[in-house]
Amino acid sequence: AQSVSQHNHHVILSEAASLELGCNYSYGGTVNLFWYVQYPGQHLQLLLKYFSGDPLVKGIKGFEAEFIKSKFSFNLRKPSVQWSDTAEYFCAVNALGDSWGKLQFGAGTQVVVTP
Amino acid sequence: SAVISQKPSRDICQRGTSLTIQCQVDSQVTMMFWYRQQPGQSLTLIATANQGSEATYESGFVIDKFPISRPNLTFSTLTVSNMSPEDSSIYLCSVEEDRGLGSYTFGSGTRLTVV
Repeated sequence: AQSVSQHNHHVILSEAASLELGCNYSYGGTVNLFWYVQYPGQHLQLLLKYFSGDPLVKGIKGFEAEFIKSKFSFNLRKPSVQWSDTAEYFCAVNALGDSWGKLQFGAGTQVVVTP
Repeated sequence: SAVISQKPSRDICQRGTSLTIQCQVDSQVTMMFWYRQQPGQSLTLIATANQGSEATYESGFVIDKFPISRPNLTFSTLTVSNMSPEDSSIYLCSVEEDRGLGSYTFGSGTRLTVV
């Protein structure tokens, strides 16, 4: 069965620091990849997604992610975080062949940005 | 993007009872999805609900425990039946916009505690 692994459960960093969150998936076929964010008290929001094309994807709020097919990875990055980036971040995969909407989520990474 | 209203936002229920969660979307959508997020764990898809057909359940989830209704293109309900403390979770409704383009919007969730 396919799975999604997020390497860090908790990350604490200072404002202006760079952020990189790891995501690996296990599925040999074609996948669609997503990063979602959940700010405190709010619902899940899409940060960015990758379907095809340029493996470097830019999303909202200065986030980007790089799909490396050979490594089955889709890591999320932001060069300089702000206090408002404090949130939980989820990586998700939709494997082609699965039903649309069947997103396999990682366990999430809680990011805390200190002033 | 679509706006999803999910009710109730939270509830505390006695074991053995049932709770029905409502999901209302402000636009017509073909596919609606129900997810569960158990404490400290990732989101797991329960079932896919298409209007006019039976819901499709994922492995480990059955209709008797989680009956779903989808009477029209803007509304769905999920019932958690004969609840036990293990059912304490956040239940989320999700819809797919722009079919095939991977645009999924999530509701704010229902935090259920079973005592």
